[in-house]
Amino acid sequence: DSGVTQTPKHLITATGQRVTLRCSPRSGDLSVYWYQQSLDQGLQFLIQYYNGEERAKGNILERFSAQQFPDLHSELNLSSLELGDSALYFCASSVVGQGRTEAFFGQGTRLTVV
Amino acid sequence: AQKITQTQPGMFVQEKEAVTLDCTYDTSDPSYGLFWYKQPSSGEMIFLIYQGSYDQQNATEGRYSLNFQKARKSANLVISASQLGDSAMYFCAMREGQGGSEKLVFGKGTKLTVNP
Repeated sequence: DSGVTQTPKHLITATGQRVTLRCSPRSGDLSVYWYQQSLDQGLQFLIQYYNGEERAKGNILERFSAQQFPDLHSELNLSSLELGDSALYFCASSVVGQGRTEAFFGQGTRLTVV
Repeated sequence: AQKITQTQPGMFVQEKEAVTLDCTYDTSDPSYGLFWYKQPSSGEMIFLIYQGSYDQQNATEGRYSLNFQKARKSANLVISASQLGDSAMYFCAMREGQGGSEKLVFGKGTKLTVNP
């Protein structure tokens, strides 16, 4: 158990809909990352938050947004969903600035858009 | 340009044998970190081992060791005494950024199959 909790584990929704993925980081970790894993694109970095602030942005679509709340949990919002958004979405957390900064991953949310 | 290259889409190894999974990276930053993660069929990403660019010795964690050759920009994962439970996807990753803005860039992965 990595200590990172993601909910829900599975999500099936229709095209055009909006969903929210939730992540609780490990205790003490200030940094949260979101990644998308699809068969054709591999593991893609989406966005990083550190103590409530957006710090780094990757290949995140405009239809996607994220935030990190004062209690450090984070949510990834996906809207106007398309079939191609079907993927495994990971949240990871780390203690940034500690040198190693390995990211511990949650179990992922498997999103299926039908 | 691809920053992490894993040239072996699939590898096979006999149980109890050692196996090396290749990873090369590309960066101009003098400070970076290299990681290996394991992803079994259940889907979770499991951290295995870390190597910092300034580390003088190769990292080891149990049966995992990292063969770090800085001049060649390679960070190969060596798994000794393979077990059936080692069958999984293995991803090499590099930390980019610093000062609170960081991300991991992943390779495309190597699928390892351990045969009995």
